[in-house]
Amino acid sequence: DQQVKQNSPSLSVQEGRISILNCDYTNSMFDYFLWYKKYPAEGPTFLISISSIKDKNEDGRFTVFLNKSAKHLSLHIVPSQPGDSAVYFCAATHDYKLSFGAGTTVTVRA
Amino acid sequence: DSGVTQTPKHLITATGQRVTLRCSPRSGDLSVYWYQQSLDQGLQFLIQYYNGEERAKGNILERFSAQQFPDLHSELNLSSLELGDSALYFCASSVSENTEAFFGQGTRLTVV
Repeated sequence: DQQVKQNSPSLSVQEGRISILNCDYTNSMFDYFLWYKKYPAEGPTFLISISSIKDKNEDGRFTVFLNKSAKHLSLHIVPSQPGDSAVYFCAATHDYKLSFGAGTTVTVRA
Repeated sequence: DSGVTQTPKHLITATGQRVTLRCSPRSGDLSVYWYQQSLDQGLQFLIQYYNGEERAKGNILERFSAQQFPDLHSELNLSSLELGDSALYFCASSVSENTEAFFGQGTRLTVV
């Protein structure tokens, strides 16, 4: 039962442009949402989070948007840099369970 | 360095065997999560403990079990291993629910 879905397995973007990653969820009880970045053979690294009482959170080049009515969140990375090439996971939590999407592989082209 | 330590980093074992993976959470974190990542798969939630008590269970097989000890470190026990159990196993810790979880580097298990 995949409650957190990332429907785009990959994204290619030019350096300096915006990367937009999308995530949908089905469980309306989720109350905290997170984005993680993962390089091969390493553990996921926390990027940014948002509580369900907010609709936007910004941290440097990273901004997360939450649309609760649509059960949708997105991560914007501006400007995209070569070091941003990685797999990005969306995650959501409720009642101590932290569920992850399948991930989106981002490739930043020079 | 996330502050979460997993040992061993690599493990190769035969089918039918039993292994124990260990996780030391970040100092002060009471919550420990275990995840499995098979080849080209996402992160599958296995189980979560908070201050020694099991709080949430995911798609964890009956052959797998875990516990969190009084010093808050956690162990994941995998028994009657099958080839399909080969995967990366990640541990993560957080202060509490609804806070960011920090991941260890993972244990790569290869069952031959």
